[in-house]
Amino acid sequence: ELKVEQNPLFLSMQEGKNYTIYCNYSTTSDRLYWYRQDPGKSLESLFVLLSNGAVKQEGRLMASLDTKARLSTLHITAAVHDLSATYFCAPKKGNYGGSQGNLIFGKGTKLSVKP
Amino acid sequence: DGGITQSPKYLFRKEGQNVTLSCEQNLNHDAMYWYRQDPGQGLRLIYYSQIVNDFQKGDIAEGYSVSREKKESFPLTVTSAQKNPTAFYLCASTNQAGVYEQYFGPGTRLTVT
Repeated sequence: ELKVEQNPLFLSMQEGKNYTIYCNYSTTSDRLYWYRQDPGKSLESLFVLLSNGAVKQEGRLMASLDTKARLSTLHITAAVHDLSATYFCAPKKGNYGGSQGNLIFGKGTKLSVKP
Repeated sequence: DGGITQSPKYLFRKEGQNVTLSCEQNLNHDAMYWYRQDPGQGLRLIYYSQIVNDFQKGDIAEGYSVSREKKESFPLTVTSAQKNPTAFYLCASTNQAGVYEQYFGPGTRLTVT
């Protein structure tokens, strides 16, 4: 059974600082997704990581995937208040099979960026 | 504009009543999903459907039912058998090929008292 662990679960940062959120998962998965959720809102897709070694960057966020280590990271560079939100990682359940497309979500990392 | 719609945005019901949440997509996606989110938690899969007239239970299907009579629509019924129905419900859809990226609707917040 695929289990996902994100850490930290809560992160309070100062503006301008850097930090990394970690996403570990327990069994083989060939791709992983990162989502952002603002309070009371739905999920917004941030990154789709499709293979080992994949790295994607958008603004101050950079995501990477190491399928051998079963680890994905979301790195925040020079944080700004607008990045305050909850971030979820979600590896896909299995490489193939009847549940293609099913994602397993971590509990999320609640990020608060303070001036 | 292509997207996923959910209605209503907020729903209040008395305990013991069944309630149906709507989810419609015009993205021509084959697969659709229902998730439940509780405060401070991740998403848990209730039901999913990969083709019309077929659906499978997710991790927490007890007390819920679904139908998939049309490709665009995947309504979720929360029955009186669901012990703790108050939650935020999210519908998503994806293509069956390629990236499998899931797109989410705006959600329905259900409160049962």
